[in-house]
Amino acid sequence: GAGVSQSPSNKVTEKGKDVELRCDPISGHTALYWYRQSLGQGLEFLIYFQGNSAPDKSGLPSDRFSAERTGGSVSTLTIQRTQQEDSAVYLCASSPNNSPLHFGNGTRLTVT
Amino acid sequence: AQRVTQPEKLLSVFKGAPVELKCNYSYSGSPELFWYVQYSRQRLQLLLRHISRESIKGFTADLNKGETSFHLKKPFAQEEDSAMYYCALWASGGSYIPTFGRGTSLIVHP
Repeated sequence: GAGVSQSPSNKVTEKGKDVELRCDPISGHTALYWYRQSLGQGLEFLIYFQGNSAPDKSGLPSDRFSAERTGGSVSTLTIQRTQQEDSAVYLCASSPNNSPLHFGNGTRLTVT
Repeated sequence: AQRVTQPEKLLSVFKGAPVELKCNYSYSGSPELFWYVQYSRQRLQLLLRHISRESIKGFTADLNKGETSFHLKKPFAQEEDSAMYYCALWASGGSYIPTFGRGTSLIVHP
């Protein structure tokens, strides 16, 4: 079946602009995660959604970052007033309850 | 707090040599440990988990609670094993947010 889908695959934006990254999880997966992958930094947790519960936002690095998940399915990660240090690969993953994560291909964000 | 340490950023070996990618963790409870792999131009995918106690692509990993380690081993490395490897910890019974190490890049030379 279809895996986790992320769009766009690449995004180049100017410093100060807002960006939206989209994630379509695997159908039926109740948990959805956003991670940031930077060279030498590994995978940095950003935010976690589980069903209809309030999201765990403890990993968001600043208030410029926000995410929502509509109808328990598609999620959008928004970065406002982008900075060069936001450049990274943003990974989305989904899973059934208490199971290993299934990752998307990621969105490579470059802030110029 | 839970923490995963992968001390090696880069591991370079020749084909046929044994390989061990180190992973140490800190967590006071009962953890679940995983290894994920990312081949060039592919998505991050699960390689193995400690509760399965299985061998995948010749790789094994044993959870050593005394040493708080979950090292990934393969007796004879192949060129196709070249990839980025991430160790991850899942706090069983706690937060369902896996903590990942920084990753080790494995390069297997012909």
